Amino acid sequence: DTAVSQTPKYLVTQMGNDKSIKCEQNLGHDTMYWYKQDSKKFLKIMFSYNNKELIINETVPNRFSPKSPDKAHLNLHINSLELGDSAVYFCASSPWTGMRTDTQYFGPGTRLTVL
Amino acid sequence: DAKTTQPTSMDCAEGRAANLPCNHSTISGNEYVYWYRQIHSQGPQYIIHGLKNNETNEMASLIITEDRKSSTLILPHATLRDTAVYYCIAIGGSQGNLIFGKGTKLSVKP
Repeated sequence: DTAVSQTPKYLVTQMGNDKSIKCEQNLGHDTMYWYKQDSKKFLKIMFSYNNKELIINETVPNRFSPKSPDKAHLNLHINSLELGDSAVYFCASSPWTGMRTDTQYFGPGTRLTVL
Repeated sequence: DAKTTQPTSMDCAEGRAANLPCNHSTISGNEYVYWYRQIHSQGPQYIIHGLKNNETNEMASLIITEDRKSSTLILPHATLRDTAVYYCIAIGGSQGNLIFGKGTKLSVKP
C-alpha cells in the first residue's frame, strides 16, 4: 500500500551511461515532482508535472528529461551521466489545487552513484 | 518565498517536549508555514502547516506568533524515532516552490 514508490532504490553506473528512475504514486494526485539531494544534504526541486504537463523546470541540465506516461507516473531519464549527478533523487506527489502550498508526499529515494 | 532561519541542531531527552523554533521575519500575508522532517535516508515527511492560527494534529503542534514572524514546532513527547532533520518552510499562493533550507537536526537521547 506504498503511497509513492521509486525504483530502483540504489543505482550504480559508469560515467557516460544513460539511466532511468521510475516513480509511481497511488494517491490519485495530479501533481508529481522530482527533487535532488546532494552530498551536502540540500534538497532542491528539479521538475514538477501536473496532469502530465510540465509546470516547473528549474535550472537542470537538459541531460535530465522527465517523462509522464500518465498522471500516476513520473519517470526521470538521465543521459550521459556525470560524476556530479551522484545524489539521492526523491519523487513526490501532491493534490492539485493551483496552490504551491499543497502538501507533498515523498517517495523513499533513489541513491544514484556515478563512477 | 520568505527565508526561514532555524538552529543547526538541538538535543531533546526522550519523553520530553521538543520545541523547534523558526524565524520567518519577512513572511508575507499569504504565505503558510510548513514543517517537514527527514529521518535518516528516508524521504521528507509532512508534519503540519498553518497560516495564522495555532495548529495541532496527531504528530505535533504549531505555534505561530501573532506578528507571524516566528513559529515553534512542538513534539509533545519526543521519542528516539523523532530523531531527524526538521525543515521549516514558508510558502504561499501560486508562487514559488517548496524550498528546503538546512533545517534543524534534532537528536532525541535516552
